[in-house]
Amino acid sequence: EPEVTQTPSHQVTQMGQEVILRCVPISNHLYFYWYRQILGQKVEFLVSFYNNEISEKSEIFDDQFSVERPDGSNFTLKIRSTKLEDSAMYFCASSLGGTANEKLFFGSGTQLSVL
Amino acid sequence: QQQVKQSPQSLIVQKGGISIINCAYENTAFDYFPWYQQFPGKGPALLIAIRPDVSEKKEGRFTISFNKSAKQFSLHIMDSQPGDSATYFCAASKAGTYKYIFGTGTRLKVLA
Repeated sequence: EPEVTQTPSHQVTQMGQEVILRCVPISNHLYFYWYRQILGQKVEFLVSFYNNEISEKSEIFDDQFSVERPDGSNFTLKIRSTKLEDSAMYFCASSLGGTANEKLFFGSGTQLSVL
Repeated sequence: QQQVKQSPQSLIVQKGGISIINCAYENTAFDYFPWYQQFPGKGPALLIAIRPDVSEKKEGRFTISFNKSAKQFSLHIMDSQPGDSATYFCAASKAGTYKYIFGTGTRLKVLA
């Protein structure tokens, strides 16, 4: 089965630093997402992206966050100035279509630790 | 209104037993209810999903029961196996949005 690939698997950063989390979605998928999961808690939606623009974002996705599809394969999440509470597992996901009953394919995640 | 409440938080079942995980929602606009399975160190993977126009959906050992009037749905794992040991998340979504609202997860352990 095709996979969503995320790099790095672990990222450690100092508070206030910028981080970029990278994802390679499944090649023919058109919709891209970032979710996060704080340790022991539920998976939370951050943002969805289609046709080179944000289609929906949550209240968590404030001005410190941005997403980009810099080329035809990568999809990135940038956190401009990390805070301690940004420590979480960040999951990238993709889907072929954008309707509610589309199957989301999740990557294995990037564990972000902010010190 | 946007929450999906999931119970129990953890569940221990003997091999061959039935595992039952329950979820409840408030927002009647939700129209798609998937269940995701997550193994340690991996991302969630879609297990089975249901829409509210049916009351039950079965795929192999996994069954979703849906009660629209009660706004509840549950996952039943028949003949539970040690390989089913994972965290299970219910979720809900509504037409016109791109996001899933996930439940808090149930950590299932199936004893050999």
